[in-house]
Amino acid sequence: DADVTQTPRNRITKTGKRIMLECSQTKGHDRMYWYRQDPGLGLRLIYYSFDVKDINKGEISDGYSVSRQAQAKFSLSLESAIPNQTALYFCATSSGTGTTEAFFGQGTRLTVV
Amino acid sequence: SQQGEEDPQALSIQEGENATMNCSYKTSINNLQWYRQNSGRGLVHLILIRSNEREKHSGRLRVTLDTSKKSSSLLITASRAADTASYFCATVPGVQGAQKLVFGQGTRLTINP
Repeated sequence: DADVTQTPRNRITKTGKRIMLECSQTKGHDRMYWYRQDPGLGLRLIYYSFDVKDINKGEISDGYSVSRQAQAKFSLSLESAIPNQTALYFCATSSGTGTTEAFFGQGTRLTVV
Repeated sequence: SQQGEEDPQALSIQEGENATMNCSYKTSINNLQWYRQNSGRGLVHLILIRSNEREKHSGRLRVTLDTSKKSSSLLITASRAADTASYFCATVPGVQGAQKLVFGQGTRLTINP
């Protein structure tokens, strides 16, 4: 089983719909992240959480919200999806110090029509 | 804005040749990491170099870091077709508490058989 699991893997949704992307991890890491990847733009940080009670905005948080339900679970929500949120979304985890590697899920390909 | 910028954006070489990718960043860092991404998949950590290190090796990978120039390079020696992927540098800023990975835009590497 993968250490970082994202569901769903693919999703097509309509403009204005609410959608939740889920991430769960078995690494036992405190830190979890949501990134968005667009062609030619690399990965941009949406939100990150250093523990269950600590949620922080990244560089592109507008239009998104998150919930850290447990150490192992970190969900990303689009309250009212719009077409320019069509992208590949990645969840990642890392251990506490920031000097170690991040582990990524396989990604969720979201299309908003 | 992105912390790291990779150069070139795309690189195509023949199998067996060496591939060099460069990364420049803007602010002080705690460490710099390189990741690999196969098409549409999650990122996989390759190597981490700390701000007080100048060079690091891992198998066919060699990473250098020049903090005075705020740049790093990734060298893949004796390239193989399986090395075809996108490569990203990611920095952990040196500012206390800002321990999150900030990614560049990536270099798309193609190894021709």
